[in-house]
Amino acid sequence: GESVGLHLPTLSVQEGDNSIINCAYSNSASDYFIWYKQESGKGPQFIIDIRSNMDKRQGQRVTVLLNKTVKHLSLQIAATQPGDSAVYFCAENRESGNTPLVFGKGTRLSVIA
Amino acid sequence: DTAVSQTPKYLVTQMGNDKSIKCEQNLGHDTMYWYKQDSKKFLKIMFSYNNKELIINETVPNRFSPKSPDKAHLNLHINSLELGDSAVYFCASSQEVQTPSTGELFFGEGSRLTVL
Repeated sequence: GESVGLHLPTLSVQEGDNSIINCAYSNSASDYFIWYKQESGKGPQFIIDIRSNMDKRQGQRVTVLLNKTVKHLSLQIAATQPGDSAVYFCAENRESGNTPLVFGKGTRLSVIA
Repeated sequence: DTAVSQTPKYLVTQMGNDKSIKCEQNLGHDTMYWYKQDSKKFLKIMFSYNNKELIINETVPNRFSPKSPDKAHLNLHINSLELGDSAVYFCASSQEVQTPSTGELFFGEGSRLTVL
């Protein structure tokens, strides 16, 4: 679940279980959303994206859900594996206009073997 | 075959010094970025360049000066380093000019700067 304060929110799951990582975004004008994965000592890597005209998009073992009404985004990882252990970021952007990608604060996923 | 490469990977220096971090991308992208990641893993954009021109400057102190000699390179020079500059700095690139609508923002592996 979520935690506040100094620590990065952490989600611990058993290997083989499904993981759900949540993200709340703030800008109602955002119309494009991306999930990134950052492994220890590496830069963030693109996982999956979704545009605001969709509410669900599936990739390989991952699904992103978008609820524009409550400005909520989630990333579901099926059959979580040890290699999924990383920090996950949601990012939002407006497709038009000169605005930068804004990253959420990140959630650390720890997979217990 | 590294797509976005940054050097150095680690940099430890004294307060008040001047240092540079270099970045190169071999993806043929038009746009390059610098992001700063703090100790809480928060990622914040600093600069964006498109084809050597500054596009975004997110209220970064004047001590930080990006330089893009060509569209494949974006270097970051920092003057008069302060303790608060300690962070991991990520270079990134994308094909799109302003907003990476395909989502393909490619990051380097980061340069960890420690100011003592």
